[in-house]
Amino acid sequence: QVHLVQSGAEVKKPGSSVTVSCRASGGTFSASAICWVRQAPGLGLEWMGGVIPVFGTTNYAQNFQGRVTITADESTGTFYLDLKSLRSEDTAVYYCVRAGEVGSADYWGQGTLVTVSS
Amino acid sequence: EVVLTQSPATLSLSPGERATLSCRASQSVSTFLHWYQQKPGQAPRLLIYDASNRVSGIPARFSGSGSGTDFTLTISSLEPDDFAIYYCQQRTNWPPELTFGGGTKVEFK
Repeated sequence: QVHLVQSGAEVKKPGSSVTVSCRASGGTFSASAICWVRQAPGLGLEWMGGVIPVFGTTNYAQNFQGRVTITADESTGTFYLDLKSLRSEDTAVYYCVRAGEVGSADYWGQGTLVTVSS
Repeated sequence: EVVLTQSPATLSLSPGERATLSCRASQSVSTFLHWYQQKPGQAPRLLIYDASNRVSGIPARFSGSGSGTDFTLTISSLEPDDFAIYYCQQRTNWPPELTFGGGTKVEFK
């Protein structure tokens, strides 16, 4: 059974950066990817980007190009989302998810609330 | 870019009724279409993968069908615990780019 445990809630000022971590345990990731998905209050799910842990290969959603970096530390099984130049519209719950071979998000972290406010 | 359109946005039903949720893709996704349930304050949970395969532990009242561009999630007889928001999702490329539909809220009538 895979478990994804995320870091705690953050409050940030506009223009600053945030790092959210996601520690994985209990499974293998050789044929899967770790993606980050966010959900603004009352809204739907938005994919931000992903990484293939064994290769470190990444891709990012066009909306976040230049502002987001996703990295993987295979030695600790921890994945990171870095988002910079924060604005109020980035206030959301951020989820790390494991995507299997068929592309379904079969495991989700508990979510991390990031609040951007002056 | 594939766009997923879910309908209706809201479904008002009573326990015991049948729920039929639709997801339409802007181009064919074969059967690579998945369904999730989300309750308030919780992360989404995968229910159905590859259009029609139920995840282990998901009750048999949940079923998925479809291929190509038109997909359906059916809840045969609503239980109180089923009132939630449901999302469909597909992926392209690898690392996967995940696209979600806008969601259907199943609410008490």
